[in-house]
Amino acid sequence: SQQGEEDPQALSIQEGENATMNCSYKTSINNLQWYRQNSGRGLVHLILIRSNEREKHSGRLRVTLDTSKKSSSLLITASRAADTASYFCATDTSGSRLTFGEGTQLTVNP
Amino acid sequence: GAVVSQHPSRVICKSGTSVKIECRSLDFQATTMFWYRQFPKQSLMLMATSNEGSKATYEQGVEKDKFLINHASLTLSTLTVTSAHPEDSSFYICSARDFGTGGSTEAFFGQGTRLTVV
Repeated sequence: SQQGEEDPQALSIQEGENATMNCSYKTSINNLQWYRQNSGRGLVHLILIRSNEREKHSGRLRVTLDTSKKSSSLLITASRAADTASYFCATDTSGSRLTFGEGTQLTVNP
Repeated sequence: GAVVSQHPSRVICKSGTSVKIECRSLDFQATTMFWYRQFPKQSLMLMATSNEGSKATYEQGVEKDKFLINHASLTLSTLTVTSAHPEDSSFYICSARDFGTGGSTEAFFGQGTRLTVV
């Protein structure tokens, strides 16, 4: 079963705007990861945040983690049309398998 | 970063035939690989965990005789969809995690295989 729930399911914004996606989960985690998937392709790892971290940055990406609320958010700043894709959070509870959220379909309009 | 190669990217087969999908880790040894299935506009559903040199661990509801997994080497895992039927049509994705790099725990994914059974 999917541990993560993401919202919104779909998000449409204009180029240059910021996009925020949220992920909630149910059990304790070792880390939480965000992935991107272009249509019909495999997933690409974006960023990993460990359970003892609260915030992490990578380029235009900012991830937060609130373990008390069992939630995470991914912020993409100054979005570009090329950011159009599906974004998934994934929780690592055992150090082996990942459990993926339902995903957010982001559309950035030029 | 590490690369996982999956082949074929697309396959169309007749109902009743079997299809083999290969997943290779190109620059690291993967003792464990994962096979997922993804329906349109949905998330990834873990089908099974492939362990090198031992039997795969299947998720509840996944038929092990239908989806045969072989992980004979540290760089190759195969998924065979046996006696395929139209309801098996889906997007299949493999992934592996490189636990040999001193802490990196991100997963690397193959490009996916679009299976269409006619």
